[in-house]
Amino acid sequence: ETVLTQSPDTLSLSPGERATLSCRASQSVSSNYLAWYQQKPGQAPRLLIYGASSRATGIPDRFRGSGSGTDFTLTISRLEPEDFAVYYCQRYGGSPTNTFGQGTKLEIK
Amino acid sequence: EVQLVESGGGLVQPGGSLRLSCAVSGFTFSSYWMTWVRQAPGKGLEWVANIKDDGSEEYYVDSVRGRFTISRDNARNSLYLQMNSLRAEDTAVFYCARILAYCSGTTCGGEAFDVWGQGTMVTVSS
Repeated sequence: ETVLTQSPDTLSLSPGERATLSCRASQSVSSNYLAWYQQKPGQAPRLLIYGASSRATGIPDRFRGSGSGTDFTLTISRLEPEDFAVYYCQRYGGSPTNTFGQGTKLEIK
Repeated sequence: EVQLVESGGGLVQPGGSLRLSCAVSGFTFSSYWMTWVRQAPGKGLEWVANIKDDGSEEYYVDSVRGRFTISRDNARNSLYLQMNSLRAEDTAVFYCARILAYCSGTTCGGEAFDVWGQGTMVTVSS
């Protein structure tokens, strides 16, 4: 079973700074079937990135996904106040099965 | 407007049953695979089950297989999750979501969850 490990668990930054979130898979992610979600308190998750680097509909271009194989990154170029939330990566493993990482909390410094 | 609205959550005793519903509007429901994802209090997301667009295929995470059944009624634009033999560890917010099937490079078959409901809380406790 492929495990997704996100780092760091918590990231403290200020608005305007650049955020770099990591998602590492215990085995190679087939065809870069990796997505990123944002979740704010009391809300459902929102899809940000799919296919490792494609932005979902309506997602600002300050969100960028990259990576391949076992190492993936979500970069937020200039943090806006509304970007502070928990972020999850998700791998599609075929069969089908889906696995989420444990999440990274992005908090205001 | 694309919308998913879950209902049916509540408090149930261990060993009991509950049926969740997800009412869909704003898109052609019968054209999409659908999924249930849950989130235990203060914890991360866990995929639960998928169902094919025509209802002919179902897939489950190991921890619920044999206890939960995903189904759909395309005529009623509704998705369901029948949960039996509930355990304390099933306590969670349950979300229904639409599956976006996508291609990555030259390979098609990826899944992401692009539209979500607001969730319904299931509490299993005596």
